[in-house]
Amino acid sequence: ETGVTQTPRHLVMGMTNKKSLKCEQHLGHNAMYWYKQSAKKPLELMFVYSLEERVENNSVPSRFSPECPNSSHLFLHLHTLQPEDSALYLCASSQETGRAFGDTQYFGPGTRLTVL
Amino acid sequence: SQQGEEDPQALSIQEGENATMNCSYKTSINNLQWYRQNSGRGLVHLILIRSNEREKHSGRLRVTLDTSKKSSSLLITASRAADTASYFCATDESGTYKYIFGTGTRLKVLA
Repeated sequence: ETGVTQTPRHLVMGMTNKKSLKCEQHLGHNAMYWYKQSAKKPLELMFVYSLEERVENNSVPSRFSPECPNSSHLFLHLHTLQPEDSALYLCASSQETGRAFGDTQYFGPGTRLTVL
Repeated sequence: SQQGEEDPQALSIQEGENATMNCSYKTSINNLQWYRQNSGRGLVHLILIRSNEREKHSGRLRVTLDTSKKSSSLLITASRAADTASYFCATDESGTYKYIFGTGTRLKVLA
């Protein structure tokens, strides 16, 4: 257990559905991340939140909408997804020290998303 | 090629042997990290090496960093079947919030 939990672990949805992924960290960290991991591709950073403020939006389509209501929780709202959005979505957290976002990221187990 | 690109893409060894994986990157970095991922799971942090360090050890892991060649290696000694996983290096992009991950090395340790 890394102290980062994600729900659901598996999700199957149609292209017209709306669903949300949830991430919670119990580590007292102040930065949270969403990554997308597709087969045979590098891990793609999607969003970064620091102190509940979005500091990075890595050219992600608007059908993905993040929300960070507090430093312990992060959501990824999904709507009108495409089959190519099927992937493992990973959440991570870290303690941002002010020097750099330079230290260890703790990952959750991921949500395996399948879009039909 | 990608920042933080691992080599080889796949590696199969016998239990007890050593496994070496390499990572190359393109830009200046503050630090480099290695992570492990078991199939379909999240990544687990293994070791972090800063740009002013050349070698670091943690248990059976040894990491080297050569900033002049922009490369790092991860050595796992006396491998075990439980070491079977994908291994990723991640480099920070100076001045940004980003860590760049490679596509990973898939290690299989045969019992």
